[in-house]
Amino acid sequence: GQQLNQSPQSMFIQEGEDVSMNCTSSSIFNTWLWYKQDPGEGPVLLIALYKAGELTSNGRLTAQFGITRKDSFLNISASIPSDVGIYFCAGCSKGAQKLVFGQGTRLTINP
Amino acid sequence: DGGITQSPKYLFRKEGQNVTLSCEQNLNHDAMYWYRQDPGQGLRLIYYSQIVNDFQKGDIAEGYSVSREKKESFPLTVTSAQKNPTAFYLCASRDRDYGYTFGSGTRLTVV
Repeated sequence: GQQLNQSPQSMFIQEGEDVSMNCTSSSIFNTWLWYKQDPGEGPVLLIALYKAGELTSNGRLTAQFGITRKDSFLNISASIPSDVGIYFCAGCSKGAQKLVFGQGTRLTINP
Repeated sequence: DGGITQSPKYLFRKEGQNVTLSCEQNLNHDAMYWYRQDPGQGLRLIYYSQIVNDFQKGDIAEGYSVSREKKESFPLTVTSAQKNPTAFYLCASRDRDYGYTFGSGTRLTVV
């Protein structure tokens, strides 16, 4: 079945630093999504990507749909304490009934 | 505002008891999903439903059951056959562009 490899698994950074994380798939995806989960809450959609090569921003967050359609990247610029949480990538191929999720990147920020 | 409501937020179960977790959505989404999340782990799919009166097993369906009698509702029953039910349970529904909206979760603890 389809698998997603998300890296890194965890990050420990200083406030103000930029963050980069990525996901790679064993197969081609038509949709890439990035979610953030705060402790004790459900994941919330940050950015959705629907076209190869697409670059989309949401405030300090920028995500890209890889040109090969097998990867995606999320960057966070100038991190702040409220960026702490778990970030999940997710993707699916055309006609799929469900998303495939990455294992998550846990972001910790030292003030 | 549209969204997904999970209840209760916290649930305690005695050994050998069945418990039912509620999930209601008013987003008019056809597809709904149940995930299990263990501490520090990713999301594992339990069951999903594409349409009323139909549902499919996910990756870890053993010890769980669901029903989908109404479009708005997708309750999950954790049966006594589930040997390690303590976890965080998340319900989601899906829009036409594959974006999932998640509920705020139910934390189940066996006492």
